[in-house]
Amino acid sequence: KAGVTQTPRYLIKTRGQQVTLSCSPISGHRSVSWYQQTPGQGLQFLFEYFSETQRNKGNFPGRFSGRQFSNSRSEMNVSTLELGDSALYLCASSLRLAGGSYNEQFFGPGTRLTVL
Amino acid sequence: SQKIEQNSEALNIQEGKTATLTCNYTNYSPAYLQWYRQDPGRGPVFLLLIRENEKEKRKERLKVTFDTTLKQSLFHITASQPADSATYLCALGRLNYGGSQGNLIFGKGTKLSVKP
Repeated sequence: KAGVTQTPRYLIKTRGQQVTLSCSPISGHRSVSWYQQTPGQGLQFLFEYFSETQRNKGNFPGRFSGRQFSNSRSEMNVSTLELGDSALYLCASSLRLAGGSYNEQFFGPGTRLTVL
Repeated sequence: SQKIEQNSEALNIQEGKTATLTCNYTNYSPAYLQWYRQDPGRGPVFLLLIRENEKEKRKERLKVTFDTTLKQSLFHITASQPADSATYLCALGRLNYGGSQGNLIFGKGTKLSVKP
């Protein structure tokens, strides 16, 4: 079974631009969560989608948004990029709703975003 | 506020010894706890899950303990090998939705280096 895939793997953008990251979960997984990872803050939760609906949202500004499609693939968008948005963005999929049971999450390799 | 601490940012041990990593938390009542391994440039990989009513879990050379009174989990790697060198993350999980941290809250990780 193929793992979680994320595209692109690397991105370089400048301040003020916007970016869209893509995540394809493991086949059959309906929950997709997004995390931002930085050396200082570690892994921080962005949001979770299940059945095309956002179920949970982290403490990030409205510049961070996402969506999920009917095939469970998910995208996240960051508008008006700031230098502090430079990070590794990780997507994780799980079979069931994250809060519904004892789920392990399967992470993708991440997208390394650098904002100049 | 809720807080998760992994005892040290880095741990260096000799091959063959047992590595012990600590995860402490405050102001939180997790339903379960997970441990992940993360290699440079890659997403975390799930290792073990232990529920709040379990004291200990084992998987091959790995052992996890969970003490809800002390609010602490210990993660042991016995007979450690250089290939075990990686960053290990603990994550606290809950079953009910709500809050901006999502259902999995991650520690910042401990970087383990096993020297031959």
